[in-house]
Amino acid sequence: AQKITQTQPGMFVQEKEAVTLDCTYDTSDPSYGLFWYKQPSSGEMIFLIYQGSYDQQNATEGRYSLNFQKARKSANLVISASQLGDSAMYFCAMRERWAGGTSYGKLTFGQGTILTVHP
Amino acid sequence: ETGVTQTPRHLVMGMTNKKSLKCEQHLGHNAMYWYKQSAKKPLELMFVYNFKEQTENNSVPSRFSPECPNSSHLFLHLHTLQPEDSALYLCASSQDWASGAVKADTQYFGPGTRLTVL
Repeated sequence: AQKITQTQPGMFVQEKEAVTLDCTYDTSDPSYGLFWYKQPSSGEMIFLIYQGSYDQQNATEGRYSLNFQKARKSANLVISASQLGDSAMYFCAMRERWAGGTSYGKLTFGQGTILTVHP
Repeated sequence: ETGVTQTPRHLVMGMTNKKSLKCEQHLGHNAMYWYKQSAKKPLELMFVYNFKEQTENNSVPSRFSPECPNSSHLFLHLHTLQPEDSALYLCASSQDWASGAVKADTQYFGPGTRLTVL
């Protein structure tokens, strides 16, 4: 079973509007972290936002916020006031505290969502 | 953060060549990672080093050989590669995977080396 699922291969949004990118995850580890990364066409993976499994509040970082619904195992990324520079591939990733008895910093990535912002 | 650099950015090599990819982090981190990103596949973790010790080898073929001389530098030595090894190779670093705090494990990536094997 996939640990991270991003069901939207591609999304389109008008400039200045908000957009939600979906991510669901699967783990039995009570302690885990969820990360979102942005990958422009240049290739670099840019860290955007982090949500811990024990965090009570949804994470926010500037125009990025994470809609964390633990019971549903979803961690959707919300980008407000989209900008042309937001056009990129977005990856959701999970880090389990104890992954199969080991904890080697392994990030499990989803397939990604390509976001295109139209002017 | 743009504290992780990778060279070269692009590399074309034949199957009989030997080349090396270099990664350097300027963030004071103790853990470094190699990932492979192939077209239409999720990122695959290849190797993990924590405090210069290799702690993970994710069933990577021996034609890929990592080296971590210190906490700031990571190399990936390549020899007798196959065309299917063509991919984007990404290096990342994090503070410390064993700190007990998952957030401290946030990985910061370099720009990647786009490798083409002919």
